[in-house]
Amino acid sequence: QLALTQSPSASASLGASVRLTCTLSSGHNNYAIAWHQQQPEKGPRYLMKVNSDGSHTKGDGIPDRFSGSSSGADRYLIISSLQSEDEADYYCQTWGTGIQIFGGGTKLTV
Amino acid sequence: QVKVVESGGGVVQPGASLRLSCVGSGFIFSNYGMHWVRQAPGKGLEWVAFTRFDDSNKNYAASVEGRFTISRDNSKNMLFLQMNSLRLEDTGVYYCGRGNEFDFWGQGTLVIVSS
Repeated sequence: QLALTQSPSASASLGASVRLTCTLSSGHNNYAIAWHQQQPEKGPRYLMKVNSDGSHTKGDGIPDRFSGSSSGADRYLIISSLQSEDEADYYCQTWGTGIQIFGGGTKLTV
Repeated sequence: QVKVVESGGGVVQPGASLRLSCVGSGFIFSNYGMHWVRQAPGKGLEWVAFTRFDDSNKNYAASVEGRFTISRDNSKNMLFLQMNSLRLEDTGVYYCGRGNEFDFWGQGTLVIVSS
């Protein structure tokens, strides 16, 4: 069954880098995923799509500090030069035929 | 630019009905499958329902199957969610989104089910 697993929390210092992980369930290594950011008291915002080969396509206006990569069943969101506004919940998401699957989200503390 | 705007939320009692709407602009609405996703207070994102670009195929989360109906009117670039037999646990912000990647989010519409 298609599912996504994320760590509930992560923390990093201002100016540092952080890598958030989203893991696909067994047998689904070839799936692409999308990353979304949700700042406190705001709606979600699309960040990027990450493919199984590690290539990624970012949404409009997403800073260069945000990038994505892949390894096996893991899909990564890398944020460099962390800023205070990066403190947010980050959700990964994938899709099957006519359905959407969301990970539980990772709360990033900067 | 691409935009989706949800509306129709409100405060209702358990067992009541509500109809949500979503209007899309800045893209060819009829080219995209569309979804509804919701977020309960303090919780994560939960997929609710999907309709194909031509409204010919629909899927629902188990939690809403038989109570919610998704539909669309491509002539008006609009997506709908008819919610019947509402429960306390249906409370949350409801978002519509296009395609597989949900690459544009609206501000959502708040549904509160309370006695």
